[in-house]
Amino acid sequence: EAAVTQSPRNKVAVTGGKVTLSCNQTNNHNNMYWYRQDTGHGLRLIHYSYGAGSTEKGDIPDGYKASRPSQENFSLILELATPSQTSVYFCASGDDYQNTLYFGAGTRLSVL
Amino acid sequence: GQQVQQSPTSLVLQEGENAELQCNFSTSLNSMQWFYQRPGGSLISVFYNPSGTKQSGRLTSTTVIKERRSSLHISSSQITDSGTYLCAMENTGNYKYVFGAGTRLKVIA
Repeated sequence: EAAVTQSPRNKVAVTGGKVTLSCNQTNNHNNMYWYRQDTGHGLRLIHYSYGAGSTEKGDIPDGYKASRPSQENFSLILELATPSQTSVYFCASGDDYQNTLYFGAGTRLSVL
Repeated sequence: GQQVQQSPTSLVLQEGENAELQCNFSTSLNSMQWFYQRPGGSLISVFYNPSGTKQSGRLTSTTVIKERRSSLHISSSQITDSGTYLCAMENTGNYKYVFGAGTRLKVIA
């Protein structure tokens, strides 16, 4: 069974603080993604990766960094969190064949 | 850039009625998927369907590449079908999916 695990599930951060969202997948998929979901916007792609050591900018990368130190792990980093980054963040993985996406449970982030 | 338009935005059905959800793409597509999301929940892939028709139980997906559209048909709806259905497309072979805003479905008794 494909598995994508996100941590933490909920996070409250202060404006200007650093936040790291973590994602682990046991699917051995090359591709991993970070999306945020906001009412009225659907899911928007922040960063993605084709494999260990690679990160690519998505459609809304400003204010975010990503790190893919291994096949299994993909992190999203907010160096200076702002209230506009309050959202639900989803990590997903996909293979190179069909690239069916498998999503984690999501992280609800509030920046106060 | 790529755009994905879903319709309707929301839909209320009586249990047992059928539903037709639409997804239209502004560019040619390479891959597309339909996802289901419960309120406050994660996304679950319902169909990977870049072309043609696929069926799984009461759900049928039809993608017509030339017309740049995909549909999801739900027959004999059940209360447990309630939630949001999202479509996503990828058009360049770079594995970068773009999502529609979703259709919120509510099935009532």
